[in-house]
Amino acid sequence: GAVVSQHPSRVICKSGTSVKIECRSLDFQATTMFWYRQFPKKSLMLMATSNEGSKATYEQGVEKDKFLINHASLTLSTLTVTSAHPEDSSFYICSADGPDTQYFGPGTRLTVL
Amino acid sequence: GQQVMQIPQYQHVQEGEDFTTYCNSSTTLSNIQWYKQRPGGHPVFLIQLVKSGEVKKQKRLTFQFGEAKKNSSLHITATQTTDVGTYFCAGVTGFQKLVFGTGTRLLVSP
Repeated sequence: GAVVSQHPSRVICKSGTSVKIECRSLDFQATTMFWYRQFPKKSLMLMATSNEGSKATYEQGVEKDKFLINHASLTLSTLTVTSAHPEDSSFYICSADGPDTQYFGPGTRLTVL
Repeated sequence: GQQVMQIPQYQHVQEGEDFTTYCNSSTTLSNIQWYKQRPGGHPVFLIQLVKSGEVKKQKRLTFQFGEAKKNSSLHITATQTTDVGTYFCAGVTGFQKLVFGTGTRLLVSP
């Protein structure tokens, strides 16, 4: 079946630094990828829709300058959390629009100290 | 904006008991998907329902899509400890975006 990977799986960083998370579709091409955020014991909240070769579409309330998204190829989208702060600590999950449905990556747990 | 609510938030059952989670959307959906997320894991796709009134079964799991395409349910017959996790419904809008429900966390005691 369709596989989506994320890297890194866990990252701890200092406040003020930037962190890049990669989302790759391994065996299919994805014109559209999605980035979600999940707080502990909460649901997934869509942050943005990433379209290959064009600008991402951000959901209401998500700062585009804070969460930079680049979808440079049909198999890779990146999310960069800029100038991270402790409140950015969360579980970030990507998904890729695949053959039948969206396929989710394993997630990246970000902890900002 | 669109909201998708699930009840109950949490349920603790004894192994062998049945379990049902209900999903309600504030707007009509083009289709609905169900996911299971184990503790520490990511959502795993279970099924997609498209037609009004559709019922699908996967072994002990029965999924139903309401006639008005605004609600759905997942029923597990004779739960097992392997059913532990959080079950999310996700409504698909006209823009192919997923709006996740609030989730129901299931705990099964042996």
